[in-house]
Amino acid sequence: DAGVTQSPTHLIKTRGQQVTLRCSPKSGHDTVSWYQQALGQGPQFIFQYYEEEERQRGNFPDRFSGHQFPNYSSELNVNALLLGDSALYLCASSLLLGTGINEQFFGPGTRLTVL
Amino acid sequence: AQSVSQHNHHVILSEAASLELGCNYSYGGTVNLFWYVQYPGQHLQLLLKYFSGDPLVKGIKGFEAEFIKSKFSFNLRKPSVQWSDTAEYFCAVNARSGAGSYQLTFGKGTKLSVIP
Repeated sequence: DAGVTQSPTHLIKTRGQQVTLRCSPKSGHDTVSWYQQALGQGPQFIFQYYEEEERQRGNFPDRFSGHQFPNYSSELNVNALLLGDSALYLCASSLLLGTGINEQFFGPGTRLTVL
Repeated sequence: AQSVSQHNHHVILSEAASLELGCNYSYGGTVNLFWYVQYPGQHLQLLLKYFSGDPLVKGIKGFEAEFIKSKFSFNLRKPSVQWSDTAEYFCAVNARSGAGSYQLTFGKGTKLSVIP
């Protein structure tokens, strides 16, 4: 049973460029969340996708956008990169049950470095 | 809005010492609580979780945590740590309904170093 997978593993970009990160959820999961983890910090919620729509968004600017495909995989796009966008980007998948329980499984992350 | 506080930034223990990592959250409603662990070079893994029922939950590798609702706390414990427990530990919370019910809110993490 494959867990959450992310690509690429590492990425180096320069300021002003655009980047796309990819995520495949754990088998059987239909919901994908994205988190940004800066060095020495806990992950911060960017947004969550369900049924190909953004369901909830954290405190991140519009430069951060996403997409979910019919097969539940997801992309995170960041435009006009800033030095401060350098971080580990984590994808988490889940299956939101009617009970309100939301257990998320994390992928290995994509390390983005902006020069 | 939800928030999570982890009291210790870095904890250093000798092998066989007991461990307790503090976690407090702020949210007035019903919550789900989690502890995640991140071993060096590895991804976040779920250590244990609390949804409802017995407030003392047991996780993998001998870890346990106690939910004290009156104190808004979910402290992580292990009676005897091993060198292999060296990792970063994150407490996380999400609301059971309403605003914030889809996101996990994490603490800043506690780095645990176990000395052989």
